[in-house]
Amino acid sequence: EVQLLESGGGLVQPGGSLRLSCEASGFTFRSYAMSWVRQAPGKGLEWVSIIDDSGGDTQYTDSVKGRFTISRDNSKNTLYLQMNGLRAEDTAVYYCAKGSGARYPQSRNFDYWGQGTLVTVSS
Amino acid sequence: DIQMTQSPSSLSASVGDRVTITCRASQGISDYLAWFQQKPGKAPKSLIYAASSLQTGVPSKFSGSGSGTDFTLTINSLQPEDFATYYCQQYKSFPLTFGGGTKVEVK
Repeated sequence: EVQLLESGGGLVQPGGSLRLSCEASGFTFRSYAMSWVRQAPGKGLEWVSIIDDSGGDTQYTDSVKGRFTISRDNSKNTLYLQMNGLRAEDTAVYYCAKGSGARYPQSRNFDYWGQGTLVTVSS
Repeated sequence: DIQMTQSPSSLSASVGDRVTITCRASQGISDYLAWFQQKPGKAPKSLIYAASSLQTGVPSKFSGSGSGTDFTLTINSLQPEDFATYYCQQYKSFPLTFGGGTKVEVK
C-alpha cells in the first residue's frame, strides 16, 4: 500500500524558515517523480514544485522560486521542501504527491497524495 | 501559464443523479488532463488521468472525456460518498495548474 507521510509544518514568523518532509513507503521511491502541492485555507489547489526520480531536475512555480528548494534522499525514501523567506501568503496545507512514473508525462500525473501538513506564517 | 476554468463552481444534486462538470484550458493540452476528488479536511484523491483513464480502484461510475481545450467529468448515479469538491489539472506544461474546483452539494 502506498503511503506518504508529511511532517515539519507549524507556525513560523514572516521571513522564517521551515523544512517539510514526506516519508514514502509501499513503492520503489527512487523510480518516481515527486511533487509538492499546497492549499491555502478555504482555497483551491496550487502546484509548488516537482523533482525527478534521481533528484537531478527540479521545477518551481514562480511565486516560490529562489525561496523554496525541493530535494530528495532516495536512500531514506524521503522528499523534502526547504522553505525560506516565508510570507503570509505561503500559509497553506502542503501535500506531497507521487507521480505515476519517472518521465513525462507520467511524472506530472499525481496518483497518490499524503495527508498534508499545515504551515502557518504569522507574527 | 495555462489557465484552467471549471464550471459550474458549485452545483446541487440528489442521490441517483448524473452530474457533469466541465473544464476548459486556455490553450490546447492534448489529453494531459487529470481529475481529483477532495472531501473536507482530506487529501485529494486521484480519479482520472489522460483525460479519460480511470486510476486504479476508481469505480466506473466516474468517466472523463475531451481533448485539446474542453473536458468533462461525469459521475453516474451519484451516491452520498460522492458529495465533494472536484478539481481538474493540466500537466502539459509548467507551471502545472488546477481548475478552481466544483463543489457538488446535496440538493
